[in-house]
Amino acid sequence: AQKITQTQPGMFVQEKEAVTLDCTYDTSDPSYGLFWYKQPSSGEMIFLIYQGSYDQQNATEGRYSLNFQKARKSANLVISASQLGDSAMYFCAMREVSRDDKIIFGKGTRLHILP
Amino acid sequence: EPEVTQTPSHQVTQMGQEVILRCVPISNHLYFYWYRQILGQKVEFLVSFYNNEISEKSEIFDDQFSVERPDGSNFTLKIRSTKLEDSAMYFCASRGEGATIQETQYFGPGTRLLVL
Repeated sequence: AQKITQTQPGMFVQEKEAVTLDCTYDTSDPSYGLFWYKQPSSGEMIFLIYQGSYDQQNATEGRYSLNFQKARKSANLVISASQLGDSAMYFCAMREVSRDDKIIFGKGTRLHILP
Repeated sequence: EPEVTQTPSHQVTQMGQEVILRCVPISNHLYFYWYRQILGQKVEFLVSFYNNEISEKSEIFDDQFSVERPDGSNFTLKIRSTKLEDSAMYFCASRGEGATIQETQYFGPGTRLLVL
């Protein structure tokens, strides 16, 4: 079974609009962390935002926020006021504390921002 | 801002040849990782390394792969006899000493390996 599911292979969004990238996860570990990474066409992996399973509030980092719904096991990334430079591949990822140290990635969503 | 660096950015090699991918983790980090991303696919964990030994490895990380920290700054991934299916982007990552889940792994820019 997939640990991280990103159901949107691609999205097109008009510049300046908000966009939500979906992510659901599967774990029985009570302690875990959720991450979002951005991969532009140049290939590097850029850390965007982190949410811990015990965090009471949704994480925010500038224009990025994480809509964490623990009961639904979802961790959607919200980008407000999208910019052309936001065009990239976005990966949702998870680390389970009791298991090991690795990060498990989803298949990603390719976001295209239209001028 | 400190960052993970990787060399080379691109490498082309013949099948059966050995390759060494190099990484310089962030200087005060103690945990190191290699991941790979086959073109168009998701990022996959290969190996984690701490205190000069492998902490965990995936089933991908077979006997053809090895890692080493030859000095205080470099962290290398060696593929002894490359196969066509080793063609991928290889990412090095590192994280700090904290034991909490919040410790983020920071990724390098990657090395794109092409095996012909």
